[in-house]
Amino acid sequence: DTGVSQNPRHKITKRGQNVTFRCDPISEHNRLYWYRQTLGQGPEFLTYFQNEAQLEKSRLLSDRFSAERPKGSFSTLEIQRTEQGDSAMYLCASSSDRSYVNEQFFGPGTRLTVL
Amino acid sequence: AQRVTQPEKLLSVFKGAPVELKCNYSYSGSPELFWYVQYSRQRLQLLLRHISRESIKGFTADLNKGETSFHLKKPFAQEEDSAMYYCALSNNFGNEKLTFGTGTRLTIIP
Repeated sequence: DTGVSQNPRHKITKRGQNVTFRCDPISEHNRLYWYRQTLGQGPEFLTYFQNEAQLEKSRLLSDRFSAERPKGSFSTLEIQRTEQGDSAMYLCASSSDRSYVNEQFFGPGTRLTVL
Repeated sequence: AQRVTQPEKLLSVFKGAPVELKCNYSYSGSPELFWYVQYSRQRLQLLLRHISRESIKGFTADLNKGETSFHLKKPFAQEEDSAMYYCALSNNFGNEKLTFGTGTRLTIIP
């Protein structure tokens, strides 16, 4: 499968615990995005990277959230001291800046449940 | 601030009938508009984009800057069109963040 992959697909954790998600983009894509989707809503932008540089962060990304893309390939999203309000689907997408249109390819998502 | 509004959360249409999913946006510059679709148990995928002016799976969407709308249309609905549809925008032509609407769940009645 050459599409965007995300691990784990599901995560159940207790409030206060830390969690980390991984995203592997399409190999030739240099841009990587994180979105969050809650029930009944569309995906909401969290942050994005061009290569290893984090170019934009949403105000939704509190201090408890951190994202990295150390070698410009895979990315991790960590949530510290999880809260019940963090329960959501976390989506990763990738794209290439060599494409003249903004077509983002999405992964299957990681569903987080905070008890 | 940029915003996308999809007024219908649910839409049911009989097979063979015309479909129109509404999308309105607010944006101060020249946005790029998209429709993304999510079929049951599949990932979100791009359906079409306004810059391409193409028809995908019989769907078309015209950008109306005067009405700030980008409605998705299909003349004859098919059962396989049942899915969740999201309208989205980004700025200019760069690979920037997408702002999504809340989505419309389309159900085609056989």
